[in-house]
Amino acid sequence: DIQMTQSPSSLSASIGDRVTITCRASQSITTYLNWYQQKPGKAPKFLIYGASNKQSGVPPRFSGSGSGTDFTLTISDLQPEDFVIYYCQQTLTAPYTFGQGTKLEIK
Amino acid sequence: EIQLVESGGGQVKPGGSVRLSCTPSGFTYKSYPMNWVRQAPGKGLEWVSSISSNSQYIFYADSVKGRFTISRDNARSSLDLQMNNLRDDDTAIYYCARGVGAYGGAFDSWGQGTLVTVSS
Repeated sequence: DIQMTQSPSSLSASIGDRVTITCRASQSITTYLNWYQQKPGKAPKFLIYGASNKQSGVPPRFSGSGSGTDFTLTISDLQPEDFVIYYCQQTLTAPYTFGQGTKLEIK
Repeated sequence: EIQLVESGGGQVKPGGSVRLSCTPSGFTYKSYPMNWVRQAPGKGLEWVSSISSNSQYIFYADSVKGRFTISRDNARSSLDLQMNNLRDDDTAIYYCARGVGAYGGAFDSWGQGTLVTVSS
């Protein structure tokens, strides 16, 4: 199985900051990498697919990059609603494993 | 508007069974792979099972293989997850999710989830 490791597990930042969350795969997944955002008590929301493609309606301050084993999710100009949990997920092959999540907290 | 509505959750004893259902609307259901994803209380997301649009391909996480069965009926627009021999660590919110992308493993629409609690 492909293991997905996110770092950091939690991150403190201020409104207006720019932050980067990293996701590493245990083997190459080319660009079969997605990002999700989850707000408390809600289902996850699909943010980015194919490592760098934004789902319709996702604000431009969100961007993804990477290929192979190393990927990043960058959020610029943090807004209050961005301080939630983010997950990466690989979809190269089943099981479609998720990272353990990164909780973004207000400093 | 795409909607996915799960039902069937509740409390069940260890070793018991429960059947979850997902009712889709707002899209051509028969054209999409479908998935179940779970989230234990306070924990991260865990993919559980996937079924291709025509039921030809079915996959399970090792943690549920042999105990859970995913199925779909395109004529009735339904998705089910039969869960047998339940264990304490199956306690979670279960989400159904529509699959997109090359292998259908990206989940672009999710239901609100249904809670399954396994406890004696």
